[in-house]
Amino acid sequence: GQSLEQPSEVTAVEGAIVQINCTYQTSGFYGLSWYQQHDGGAPTFLSYNALDGLEETGRFSSFLSRSDSYGYLLLQELQMKDSASYFCAVRDGTSGSARQLTFGSGTQLTVLP
Amino acid sequence: DAGVIQSPRHEVTEMGQEVTLRCKPISGHDYLFWYRQTMMRGLELLIYFNNNVPIDDSGMPEDRFSAKMPNASFSTLKIQPSEPRDSAVYFCASRSGQGSSPLHFGNGTRLTVT
Repeated sequence: GQSLEQPSEVTAVEGAIVQINCTYQTSGFYGLSWYQQHDGGAPTFLSYNALDGLEETGRFSSFLSRSDSYGYLLLQELQMKDSASYFCAVRDGTSGSARQLTFGSGTQLTVLP
Repeated sequence: DAGVIQSPRHEVTEMGQEVTLRCKPISGHDYLFWYRQTMMRGLELLIYFNNNVPIDDSGMPEDRFSAKMPNASFSTLKIQPSEPRDSAVYFCASRSGQGSSPLHFGNGTRLTVT
């Protein structure tokens, strides 16, 4: 099976930088994704890392180290609208739901003024 | 692109009643997923389809749950009979065939069983 660990809550102030970590245990790893979910809303895709290194998309960046089974989401220049839950998700190669996404429990980010 | 469309947005029903949730995936997407989200268990994959065929239903909690996809543009998730512990937000999501392509979620159906 697979498991993911991420902090349950993170708080930061507007304009700051915050990093949300994710560690995973899985077999046949195919990639790490990040999704954002506002209260009452649908999860929306942020980023995907299949290879080691940093992927940057505007204020958001995502990093992956496959040797450490670790990744993080970096949010810069925080804005109030970034207050949401952030989920890491792995795509693995186990049987059954092969290569489908398994989600972590989510990190609730609160951005303070 | 209208996105993934789910209905109803909210459903309140009494224990024992049948509940049917509906989903229209994004046109051209050949994978469709049903997820359930609760505070206790997070986002759980219930079942997914590829080209309208159910591929893995190992996440379906029990026989009270069933899902169908009669064509490429429509899927249903049925609970019969419903129980209070089924109360959750049910999301439908779709994606294209490339393994790295992202999931597109619908707005979900918030189900409350009293």
